[in-house]
Amino acid sequence: SQQGEEDPQALSIQEGENATMNCSYKTSINNLQWYRQNSGRGLVHLILIRSNEREKHSGRLRVTLDTSKKSSSLLITASRAADTASYFCATDRDDKIIFGKGTRLHILP
Amino acid sequence: GAGVSQTPSNKVTEKGKYVELRCDPISGHTALYWYRQSLGQGPEFLIYFQGTGAADDSGLPNDRFFAVRPEGSVSTLKIQRTERGDSAVYLCASSPPDRANTGELFFGEGSRLTVL
Repeated sequence: SQQGEEDPQALSIQEGENATMNCSYKTSINNLQWYRQNSGRGLVHLILIRSNEREKHSGRLRVTLDTSKKSSSLLITASRAADTASYFCATDRDDKIIFGKGTRLHILP
Repeated sequence: GAGVSQTPSNKVTEKGKYVELRCDPISGHTALYWYRQSLGQGPEFLIYFQGTGAADDSGLPNDRFFAVRPEGSVSTLKIQRTERGDSAVYLCASSPPDRANTGELFFGEGSRLTVL
């Protein structure tokens, strides 16, 4: 089963623009994480936001969490060609971590 | 390297055969997760272990799938009577005992299973 649903499914933007991806989920959570996956490779952890947090930053990444709406967003600022990848949100409830279907981000040169 | 290691990286088998996929987690990591990922989809939860015991196996699709972690380190995912629909990349991830603070799962590169 997959808890998170990312939106959009695919996103193409020009290099230097900001990219925003959204995630909605269904049940209460302990925390929400975002991961990145380059084609054919394993997933890499980007950032975690706890259920009692509303916003978190890490470098060019900004994550928000709205537990009342059961939604999160990931913003990547000043995108680069190397940001081209699939991005997944993952909800953590009592150590069971469920991934969404992902957003495929393509940065155009 | 001290990352999560999965073997084989690629496995091609015939329908009806038995397959074992192995995961070597990072040393000292107590939790181990198995996921299955089909093309264009997100990782689908299968099972996770805390130490030697399966803490949650609710994602295993049917009784043809089984996973063990006898000594709390290496894990093996076993698939009996493989079907074409089992074709996917099987991902393993591990996490340290203090994951409650860091949250991070460390993933291997996956085992790509193709059932002909």
